[in-house]
Amino acid sequence: DTGVSQDPRHKITKRGQNVTFRCDPISEHNRLYWYRQTLGQGPEFLTYFQNEAQLEKSRLLSDRFSAERPKGSFSTLEIQRTEQGDSAMYLCASSSSGTRTDTQYFGPGTRLTVL
Amino acid sequence: GNSVTQMEGPVTLSEEAFLTINCTYTATGYPSLFWYVQYPGEGLQLLLKATKADDKGSNKGFEATYRKETTSFHLEKGSVQVSDSAVYFCAPLADSSYKLIFGSGTRLLVRP
Repeated sequence: DTGVSQDPRHKITKRGQNVTFRCDPISEHNRLYWYRQTLGQGPEFLTYFQNEAQLEKSRLLSDRFSAERPKGSFSTLEIQRTEQGDSAMYLCASSSSGTRTDTQYFGPGTRLTVL
Repeated sequence: GNSVTQMEGPVTLSEEAFLTINCTYTATGYPSLFWYVQYPGEGLQLLLKATKADDKGSNKGFEATYRKETTSFHLEKGSVQVSDSAVYFCAPLADSSYKLIFGSGTRLLVRP
């Protein structure tokens, strides 16, 4: 069990550029979640997948954001036409599918800075 | 909708002091409740959880009891250490969803 991994750990980009982040969940987990955390705040939910199906999306996830999990394993989060307000830590978590009591295990996050 | 309220930090304590971090939540049902901890420069780690009323979650000397009647899940530790310095997040599961609702976090600073 190697834990949830995320890549890259840091990303600096210029406003208007597109960025893509990757998350690899714990291998036997079939639920995968994305959250966003801004400085001094708690994480906010963005979206989650069960296997390859995206089952819930937050209103925070504007049209510029898209997430995929094509084979039910790793996931990508893409932000198009980045804005300075997108600067945040993007967190990925995974859990197994058993019940709603399942613990979500978090990765180290990808810190995005938009200049 | 669901929400969670945590006591504001920072909380500054001397080593071996007693710790309480208050957490209350709103929910229409009986959500599972979690405390996560974020050490400096690290990711979120599960500290403890409780899944039904009157359950007590415990780990590393920390405890929290699921109080349905007061919709609270206060975190306690009898004797804090310098290594407990971190940000602590209370997080219930949202109603009819698998997403966690996080509070704003409480920063704890323990001085030797």
